[in-house]
Amino acid sequence: SQKIEQNSEALNIQEGKTATLTCNYTNYSPAYLQWYRQDPGRGPVFLLLIRENEKEKRKERLKVTFDTTLKQSLFHITASQPADSATYLCALDYSGGSYIPTFGRGTSLIVHP
Amino acid sequence: EAGVTQFPSHSVIEKGQTVTLRCDPISGHDNLYWYRRVMGKEIKFLLHFVKESKQDESGMPNNRFLAERTGGTYSTLKVQPAELEDSGVYFCASSQPGQGDYTFGSGTRLTVV
Repeated sequence: SQKIEQNSEALNIQEGKTATLTCNYTNYSPAYLQWYRQDPGRGPVFLLLIRENEKEKRKERLKVTFDTTLKQSLFHITASQPADSATYLCALDYSGGSYIPTFGRGTSLIVHP
Repeated sequence: EAGVTQFPSHSVIEKGQTVTLRCDPISGHDNLYWYRRVMGKEIKFLLHFVKESKQDESGMPNNRFLAERTGGTYSTLKVQPAELEDSGVYFCASSQPGQGDYTFGSGTRLTVV
């Protein structure tokens, strides 16, 4: 069956360091992968989308890589700040291209001052 | 622009009662999605509207759930009769065709007791 895996353990890092979050998937051939941020009591907020033919995408302090051979995406936040503390979700479209995001469980990031 | 609005934000009902959730998407967004997050699990897709038509309702758990989008604007999701396992946070999202970013509402937290 199709599976999206994100590290269930919280990632604790020190302010100013680079946070790296991982999203692995199996039995998918996604056309794209998205990363979202979710704060408690709020809905997911779209951050970045990377397509299957793209290796890397950047937006300000954010960088996403997409390796379709390894079936993995890495999400980096450089110069992290306490305000970056949140849960980060990755999402892929369904196999077969119905282009509806399917979500992983998310990884909690805690940035300590 | 106004975001995706959901109400109520919280609802506590007894098993066997009926509850109707409402979602107002971003004006002009043809695509509207319903998702649900049960505690401890990932956000799961329920169904997708394109304008007023149901494009994909493969995620709807059973026939106690009824979604409508009359006129292609706001959508309602009715649960009748509610069961304990229906408890969770129901999210609505909207997007424009061909756009890979989805805007989510803050969700409705449904508790069935």
